[in-house]
Amino acid sequence: DAGVTQSPTHLIKTRGQQVTLRCSPKSGHDTVSWYQQALGQGPQFIFQYYEEEERQRGNFPDRFSGHQFPNYSSELNVNALLLGDSALYLCASSLFRQENYEQYFGPGTRLTVT
Amino acid sequence: RKEVEQDPGPFNVPEGATVAFNCTYSNSASQSFFWYRQDCRKEPKLLMSVYSSGNEDGRFTAQLNRASQYISLLIRDSKLSDSATYLCVVRVNSGYALNFGKGTSLLVTP
Repeated sequence: DAGVTQSPTHLIKTRGQQVTLRCSPKSGHDTVSWYQQALGQGPQFIFQYYEEEERQRGNFPDRFSGHQFPNYSSELNVNALLLGDSALYLCASSLFRQENYEQYFGPGTRLTVT
Repeated sequence: RKEVEQDPGPFNVPEGATVAFNCTYSNSASQSFFWYRQDCRKEPKLLMSVYSSGNEDGRFTAQLNRASQYISLLIRDSKLSDSATYLCVVRVNSGYALNFGKGTSLLVTP
């Protein structure tokens, strides 16, 4: 049973550049959420995708955008990178109709902005 | 005020000890409650969901007090492998986002 996968594992970008991160959900899951985790902090919710639509968005600027594909995989795009965007980006998958709404995380992409 | 607050620790305990973590949440509309564990530079892993009646999974016991908006996690007979950061997580009824505390660091020593 394949778990959540993310690519790439590490990325170094320069301020002002754009980045795309990718996520494939756990087998059988249909919903993908993205989180940003800065050092020493808990993960912060960016947004969630279900049925190829953004269902909920956290307190992040429009520079953060996403997409979900028909096979449930997802991308997170960040434009005009700032030094403060350096963080671990986590993708979590879940089943939209599950009662308790448990989310399972991928290994993350560690983004460094210089 | 943060939505989910935890004592950051660190908690340093000897092997075999019992340790308890506490967490409070601010939104009374919170609906789902979880404990996740996160090892250094790894992803959070779901440890257990927390139910109103309390629940136990082996050495781990979780309790929820909705009136006080308080969640706890008890670890009995601590193992070296329990060393990690424990994240208290809450989901509000109206949304899908998980709200995480900053985490409590546990170090179990021989």
